[in-house]
Amino acid sequence: SQQGEEDPQALSIQEGENATMNCSYKTSINNLQWYRQNSGRGLVHLILIRSNEREKHSGRLRVTLDTSKKSSSLLITASRAADTASYFCATDDYNQGGKLIFGQGTELSVKP
Amino acid sequence: DARVTQTPRHKVTEMGQEVTMRCQPILGHNTVFWYRQTMMQGLELLAYFRNRAPLDDSGMPKDRFSAEMPDATLATLKIQPSEPRDSAVYFCASTGPYNSPLHFGNGTRLTVT
Repeated sequence: SQQGEEDPQALSIQEGENATMNCSYKTSINNLQWYRQNSGRGLVHLILIRSNEREKHSGRLRVTLDTSKKSSSLLITASRAADTASYFCATDDYNQGGKLIFGQGTELSVKP
Repeated sequence: DARVTQTPRHKVTEMGQEVTMRCQPILGHNTVFWYRQTMMQGLELLAYFRNRAPLDDSGMPKDRFSAEMPDATLATLKIQPSEPRDSAVYFCASTGPYNSPLHFGNGTRLTVT
């Protein structure tokens, strides 16, 4: 069963623009993670935010977490064609520590 | 760079045949996950192990799927008998201490005809 729901399902932008992807989830969590997947490859971890954190940065990535709304967002600033990939959020359920459930993902296309 | 290794990368088999997929987690990682990815269902968690013990395999069709960790360096996922609906990409991922990220292998693309 899916825990995280990403929005939008697909996003197409021009190089240099910012890309924002959202994730909503249903249960209490220990942490929320974002991953990236290039076509034909495994997922690669981008950033982890714990339930007691509200915002986290890593390079051009900014992640926010609102536990009251059970939602998170991933912002990629100054996007590049190489950012083209699928992005997934994954939640670590509070009651099932360590069990990571993924959402359906957002397919991002960055046009040069 | 340490990585999770999955074999085979591709497998084409006929319905009814047994399929075994293998995963070598990163050395020192004590938690191993099996996921299945399809266009329709996305990434589904099939099973996961901690310290080689199965913690949850509720996502796995029990009648035909089985997952094991014979030792700390090998995880296996077996399908017997395979069916066309099992066609998917199967990913293995491993992780270390709690709140650590998952490291994924590049998957096994299974096609059952």
